[in-house]
Amino acid sequence: NAGVTQTPKFRILKIGQSMTLQCTQDMNHNYMYWYRQDPGMGLKLIYYSVGAGITDKGEVPNGYNVSRSTTEDFPLRLELAAPSQTSVYFCASSYSGPTQAFFGQGTRLTVV
Amino acid sequence: EDKVVQSPLSLVVHEGDTVTLNCSYEVTNFRSLLWYKQEKKAPTFLFMLTSSGIEKKSGRLSSILDKKELFSILNITATQTGDSAVYLCAVEALPRDSYDKVIFGPGTSLSVIP
Repeated sequence: NAGVTQTPKFRILKIGQSMTLQCTQDMNHNYMYWYRQDPGMGLKLIYYSVGAGITDKGEVPNGYNVSRSTTEDFPLRLELAAPSQTSVYFCASSYSGPTQAFFGQGTRLTVV
Repeated sequence: EDKVVQSPLSLVVHEGDTVTLNCSYEVTNFRSLLWYKQEKKAPTFLFMLTSSGIEKKSGRLSSILDKKELFSILNITATQTGDSAVYLCAVEALPRDSYDKVIFGPGTSLSVIP
């Protein structure tokens, strides 16, 4: 059972480049989330989705975009990478609400 | 502003020791408090606490919530090297003018040495 799968696991970007972090879940969860985790800080919510076609901003959405065309997939897009976006990104999903969410293994992104 | 504070931020103990991790919070419209264990990668869910004074227990781990003092503790007895991880405390809030959100603390990094 795969759970929540994130790709890639690691990536180095140059300033101004763009990329998409992929997230797929096979648990038929309606709720999906993108968090970022910086050293010594808690996870911060970037965007979330309560179902296919519905997305909304979290605490730190600037510089990111998302889409939710299917229940399974919730990609996170960085359009113009900046050093401040260097972080570990976690995708998560849950049946209902943000508690007891299942997390992916994370993507470590470095912007240089 | 909603916040979750954890202490200590890091801790080194010997196998067999008992540890207590602390979590305090200031959150509008509290719903629940969550504990996660993060071993290098994905956080995994440990406990959800909604009521004061009721201990949740799983093996050597236990946790309790005090909603009056806005505080929770996570106890680990007879620690093992496999308990080495970052323990995240988070609080679920449901503000009237915002989304149902989870605010994470910075985590306590626990290292258990043989």
